[in-house]
Amino acid sequence: AQKVTQAQTEISVVEKEDVTLDCVYETRDTTYYLFWYKQPPSGELVFLIRRNSFDEQNEISGRYSWNFQKSTSSFNFTITASQVVDSAVYFCALSEALGGNEKLTFGTGTRLTIIP
Amino acid sequence: ETGVTQTPRHLVMGMTNKKSLKCEQHLGHNAMYWYKQSAKKPLELMFVYSLEERVENNSVPSRFSPECPNSSHLFLHLHTLQPEDSALYLCASSQGRLGDTQYFGPGTRLTVL
Repeated sequence: AQKVTQAQTEISVVEKEDVTLDCVYETRDTTYYLFWYKQPPSGELVFLIRRNSFDEQNEISGRYSWNFQKSTSSFNFTITASQVVDSAVYFCALSEALGGNEKLTFGTGTRLTIIP
Repeated sequence: ETGVTQTPRHLVMGMTNKKSLKCEQHLGHNAMYWYKQSAKKPLELMFVYSLEERVENNSVPSRFSPECPNSSHLFLHLHTLQPEDSALYLCASSQGRLGDTQYFGPGTRLTVL
């Protein structure tokens, strides 16, 4: 069975500090996809990034960057120069084939608080 | 309207009531999903519909009854719920293939008294 572990339940940092959110996954599939979502207090899950298992290149999008390492089954997310608006719960997810469709397995989330 | 919408945003109901949650997607997707998010638990997949056919029923109690009349609309009919069913219910949609991104609605916050 697939599993996603986000060991950090809650993190608090002072504004402008860098912060890394960890994600470790388990799967027997050779083809899989990993996702990060942000859930602000409003409740909606906002898609941040998708990465497939064949693409280990790190990605940077503004202040966000992602480090995918198959050797350690990790897909970590770093926010540089954090801002108060980054305060949210962040979820890592792993896709799994479901017949011709897919389902997502989510981690338990990391609650990030940015202190002004 | 764009993206995925859900109504109502908040719902309070007694254990003997019958209510329905509605989800609508404006993305042209083929698959729709219901998830339950309880405090301190991972998001739980409840139901998956692909091209209006149910492809997954994740051991959900029969007091939750989904309906997908077309690829743009998804309902969750609720009856005789329990207080432990209080949660945030999230709807999502995608093209349905492995690796396709799921886009979520804002959720319905349900409280069962």
